[in-house]
Amino acid sequence: DTAVSQTPKYLVTQMGNDKSIKCEQNLGHDTMYWYKQDSKKFLKIMFSYNNKELIINETVPNRFSPKSPDKAHLNLHINSLELGDSAVYFCASSQEMSDTQYFGPGTRLTVL
Amino acid sequence: GESVGLHLPTLSVQEGDNSIINCAYSNSASDYFIWYKQESGKGPQFIIDIRSNMDKRQGQRVTVLLNKTVKHLSLQIAATQPGDSAVYFCAESYNTDKLIFGTGTRLQVFP
Repeated sequence: DTAVSQTPKYLVTQMGNDKSIKCEQNLGHDTMYWYKQDSKKFLKIMFSYNNKELIINETVPNRFSPKSPDKAHLNLHINSLELGDSAVYFCASSQEMSDTQYFGPGTRLTVL
Repeated sequence: GESVGLHLPTLSVQEGDNSIINCAYSNSASDYFIWYKQESGKGPQFIIDIRSNMDKRQGQRVTVLLNKTVKHLSLQIAATQPGDSAVYFCAESYNTDKLIFGTGTRLQVFP
């Protein structure tokens, strides 16, 4: 039983394209997150949603647009992809912001 | 700010030895701390957490120590096993705000 799942696991695309990454959690949590992990393994929060409402937006370029159709899903859409967007993107969820976060398996995005 | 280190700090230990992974956190007001383990190709996995009203917490084979005076957090792993090989991250938060992750330490366990 996968608690936090992401699709796709790998995504290779050309610069300038638009792509989406999907995330679903079956833990019944109210809060979901997107993180970006760069090639140096540095992990940084991008967005947080609580009950479908945006709580945190960490000065991410507006080419990145999260969407939460319901509290079990948080998708990430990226427009006009750039080389610097290449990274591993992790979705996570927790019951509250102050609770333990559970991470998905990650999506490795490669922009050529 | 973001870490710009070229390489992850690496700790190499022999199987069966104890490991100690250290972390210096940035915000003296942080009140919640977590250790995560990230194996190759996987997402971070929760290991243990501690709140600022404690200075020690024990789990199964792991112990977290918090020294607020010097803003230092450590993770001790007893009887380290090959399956413990991974990158370990500490993370801090203040007043239920977002988690701030440290740069990570790679633990290598050799037979």
